[in-house]
Formats: sequence, C-alpha cells, structure tokens
Amino acid sequence: GEDVEQSLFLSVREGDSSVINCTYTDSSSTYLYWYKQEPGAGLQLLTYIFSNMDMKQDQRLTVLLNKKDKHLSLRIADTQTGDSAIYFCAETDDMRFGAGTRLTVKP
Amino acid sequence: DTGVSQDPRHKITKRGQNVTFRCDPISEHNRLYWYRQTLGQGPEFLTYFQNEAQLEKSRLLSDRFSAERPKGSFSTLEIQRTEQGDSAMYLCASSYRDSSGETQYFGPGTRLLVL
Repeated sequence: GEDVEQSLFLSVREGDSSVINCTYTDSSSTYLYWYKQEPGAGLQLLTYIFSNMDMKQDQRLTVLLNKKDKHLSLRIADTQTGDSAIYFCAETDDMRFGAGTRLTVKP
Repeated sequence: DTGVSQDPRHKITKRGQNVTFRCDPISEHNRLYWYRQTLGQGPEFLTYFQNEAQLEKSRLLSDRFSAERPKGSFSTLEIQRTEQGDSAMYLCASSYRDSSGETQYFGPGTRLLVL
C-alpha cells in the first residue's frame, strides 16, 4: 500500500532551526499537509502545499516539496519551547498520515 | 478550538458493549471524516461522507463499525460488541472541498477504553 514515513524523534535547542522530514509514495497526491498535535489536544493544521509548488513560506514555517524524490520537509525557524509537540505529515488524497515526529525543544 | 466538536470526550466501556460517538462539524463544511489514532501512531482513515453520502470506507472498518450522517450535518460512529483492540482515540474532521482545494479541521477526539 501507499505509505507516509517520518523519523520518530527530533531534539533541538531553543532558537535553533528544526527540520522535520517526510517521505511519501503516492505520486498522485494533490495536497500535502503538516499538522501539530500537543499532548492531550487534537490535530492543528499548520500549513499545506499543493503538489505543483516546491516551496511555501508562512512566518516561521517553510515547507519544501521535492516531487521527484517524494520528499516533504517542514522547517521551523527560531524554534521555541512552545513548538514542542508531535508533527504529522499527511497526504489527503488517500487520507494517509505519517506516524508523527516528536519534536523536543530544550531551553 | 477548530469549530469541530465531539461527544463524549472520554468513554470507558466493557468488552461486548455497544458505544456511539457523535461529531458536529463546522456548519458549512460538506465533507466529514472519521479517523482512529492509537498511541504512537498517526491517524488512520476509517470513512468519510460528502454531505449525507458515505463515499469511502477503509478496510479497517469491520462490520461492527457503522457511521451515519443522516442530514448531512452531524455524524455518529457506532461500534457494536466492542473489543479491547478498539481502544483508541476516535477523531472526526470536517472540510469544504472545492476547486481551490480542501483543508481538514479536526475535533478534539473521543478517547475510548474497552476493559
């Protein structure tokens, strides 16, 4: 079947940049999404990118899409302790989510 | 608060009992999705509706699971004869899909524990 894969953990220091990576297999995906989930909370949509784009910037967030390699990344600039959460990438043509990357931000 | 609500937020039941969950989507959204999320995993798609029509069901959705969206507004997800393996967070999401795209907004989830 089609899979969405992410590394499980990432730890950075406050103020550094974080880069969370995701690979997907469904080349027909029209939209690719990043969601954030804090402990005990629901999924919060952070940003999304259309498959005909290769980059999207939204304040501290930068999404890069490499369609050839089916690789999606989320860069968080100036990471803060409040950014600590689990980040999910998702392709919603088949409604598939990755297992999530747990970002820990150390002061 | 995304505007999508789910009820109840928590449910503890004994194996073999039936449970029903409710989702109230954002009112102008035409699509409604149900997902299941277990610890350490991302959401797994179960089923979705466009208005009142159930358009797709995952193979994960056994015949003990049934979902309805009778008037194209709120939806219910029923699990009959619950099993311990049904313990999970059940998430609902709603969206409006048009030519410019689709964005799903998730509710807070219903956490089910089957004893």
